Amino acid sequence: GEDVEQSLFLSVREGDSSVINCTYTDSSSTYLYWYKQEPGAGLQLLTYIFSNMDMKQDQRLTVLLNKKDKHLSLRIADTQTGDSAIYFCADLGGSYIPTFGRGTSLIVHP
Amino acid sequence: DAGVIQSPRHEVTEMGQEVTLRCKPISGHNSLFWYRQTMMRGLELLIYFNNNVPIDDSGMPEDRFSAKMPNASFSTLKIQPSEPRDSAVYFCASTTRGGGDSRSGANVLTFGAGSRLTVL
Repeated sequence: GEDVEQSLFLSVREGDSSVINCTYTDSSSTYLYWYKQEPGAGLQLLTYIFSNMDMKQDQRLTVLLNKKDKHLSLRIADTQTGDSAIYFCADLGGSYIPTFGRGTSLIVHP
Repeated sequence: DAGVIQSPRHEVTEMGQEVTLRCKPISGHNSLFWYRQTMMRGLELLIYFNNNVPIDDSGMPEDRFSAKMPNASFSTLKIQPSEPRDSAVYFCASTTRGGGDSRSGANVLTFGAGSRLTVL
């Protein structure tokens, strides 16, 4: 089946930028998403991008999509301790069911 | 809307017991998903329903697992008999597929807070 890969951990210093990367295999992906999961909670949508776009910005968040390389990234500017969470990349392919990655645990330290 | 409601939030049971997890999707959503999250396997799709009909249950691990959606506002995931390896957080999510919401084409899922199951 189709696959979504992302690194498991990322550690950054408070105030720095965080970049979380993701690769996917489904060439028919129409939408790509970033979800955030805080401890003890469900996943919440952070942002999504349509596959014909290559960038989307929303306040401190910047999503970059390289469709040719099937690579998606999420940049968080001025990372805060409240940004510590697990970030899931997902794509929506021909099945209309989102495929999720394993999640990247972002650790923000002072 | 109160969002996707799951119950119980925590369940501790003994091996062999029946476990029933419940989900109330967002009113008006017509697709419902059950996921299981573990450290080892990450987030796994177990089954999803469209308009109350099970569409794909290929992720259900064994016959011990069953899911139902008797109406648009309620779904259950049952494990009978439960085993220690079933210990996980189970999430329910819903979305509107093909609806008029501008986000519906994007198939954005709204997740519940999850049910943490521990089987001793």
